[in-house]
Amino acid sequence: GAGVSQTPSNKVTEKGKYVELRCDPISGHTALYWYRQSLGQGPEFLIYFQGTGAADDSGLPNDRFFAVRPEGSVSTLKIQRTERGDSAVYLCASSLNAGGVAEQFFGPGTRLTVL
Amino acid sequence: AQSVTQLGSHVSVSEGALVLLRCNYSSSVPPYLFWYVQYPNQGLQLLLKYTTGATLVKGINGFEAEFKKSETSFHLTKPSAHMSDAAEYFCAVRSFGNEKLTFGTGTRLTIIP
Repeated sequence: GAGVSQTPSNKVTEKGKYVELRCDPISGHTALYWYRQSLGQGPEFLIYFQGTGAADDSGLPNDRFFAVRPEGSVSTLKIQRTERGDSAVYLCASSLNAGGVAEQFFGPGTRLTVL
Repeated sequence: AQSVTQLGSHVSVSEGALVLLRCNYSSSVPPYLFWYVQYPNQGLQLLLKYTTGATLVKGINGFEAEFKKSETSFHLTKPSAHMSDAAEYFCAVRSFGNEKLTFGTGTRLTIIP
């Protein structure tokens, strides 16, 4: 596909469970970003990868959140011991490279609901 | 630190009327400024951006925005609203050397037939 894809589109889980959210960036994009959008709010930055390494994880809210990008392409956001407050739309974006003003292209998001 | 304030969480305009969505930012270094649009069940799409140079920037779908450093503003305008413009609009800022986008809380634009 031409754009950023995210799976699943919707995820419903129970409090305390573990979830994984997947992001497939645009082919050839070296930079990848995760954001979280709560109801009625703008997206909030979580973490940014340049290649395989997390270059900035300052937005991760606590140690229950973790993200990986082992081969520099697909990324997985992992949430342990989910809480109701984790319910939100999780957005992934990718850009051709970091720095400068390369556009961040966003995926459609994964809507996470924690019951 | 950087932040964005969007005045008006909901704006309604008549079809054919001027669209004005307000955005003010704060940034300790020269900013890059962006407007994104989000249609229902779709991802964010870049409308336009300001980096350096000309302060009036034109984007897709007839939108434009002007960077005013003295007012720390980056308001979005369109001369004549179309029904298809109904969506949520987000202003965002990124500082030089910082990769993360900081978004405002968004403005939902409704077009009245």
